[in-house]
Amino acid sequence: GQQLNQSPQSMFIQEGEDVSMNCTSSSIFNTWLWYKQDPGEGPVLLIALYKAGELTSNGRLTAQFGITRKDSFLNISASIPSDVGIYFCAGQLGGANSKLTFGKGITLSVRP
Amino acid sequence: ETGVTQSPTHLIKTRGQQVTLRCSSQSGHNTVSWYQQALGQGPQFIFQYYREEENGRGNFPPRFSGLQFPNYSSELNVNALELDDSALYLCASSSDRGLSRQETQYFGPGTRLLVL
Repeated sequence: GQQLNQSPQSMFIQEGEDVSMNCTSSSIFNTWLWYKQDPGEGPVLLIALYKAGELTSNGRLTAQFGITRKDSFLNISASIPSDVGIYFCAGQLGGANSKLTFGKGITLSVRP
Repeated sequence: ETGVTQSPTHLIKTRGQQVTLRCSSQSGHNTVSWYQQALGQGPQFIFQYYREEENGRGNFPPRFSGLQFPNYSSELNVNALELDDSALYLCASSSDRGLSRQETQYFGPGTRLLVL
C-alpha cells in the first residue's frame, strides 16, 4: 500500500539540540498528523494539522502543513532523553474517521 | 492513555490457524479502524467498522474480516494464517460526530501476533 516518504530512517542527536523531520507525499492530503511510538505501544498523537500553511505548536514540538498539501515537517526543540522513539507522519484525505496513510517512521536517538 | 484497549497483548499461532483479536473503543467513539504494522514499517490500514458494518477496506485479502458490536467494540479475525501475518495489530477509535476540530483517531497498545 501507499506510504508517505520519511527519511532518514534513523537520527542521532545530542540532548539539548533541535531536530527537524520532513514527510512528503506524491498526493495531497487534507489533514497531516504526527505520531510518536514507543516500544511495545501504539502510536500516540503529537500534533494534528488541518489547513495548508498551518503552523501548530505543542510544547517543544512545532509542525507545519505544507502549502502544496503534499508535505509536512515536525521540529523538536531542546531535545530530552524521553524524546527517544519512532516518529510517524500520517495523512488523511477525508475527515477524522477516514483512513490514515503512514510513513515508515524515523527512529530518534538522543545522546545524554 | 487513550482509553482504547486491545486483547490479547501477545499471541503465537501456527500457519493455517485462525485468530481473533479484540478492541474496545474510547468512550464516546463509534468507529473502529484496524491497522497492521509489520516490523520496521508504518501501520497499514486494514479496514474500518462503523455502525456495525465495514466502512472502507485497505489492500488486504478476504481472510481478514471483522465485526463491530452495539457497544462499538470490534474484533479482527484472520483465517488461514500465513507467516507474513506476523505483525503488530493496532486498532484506533474515532467519532464521526465532529464535535471538536481535534477529533482524530486514537490508538490502542496493539496485539503482537507471531505466526510460526
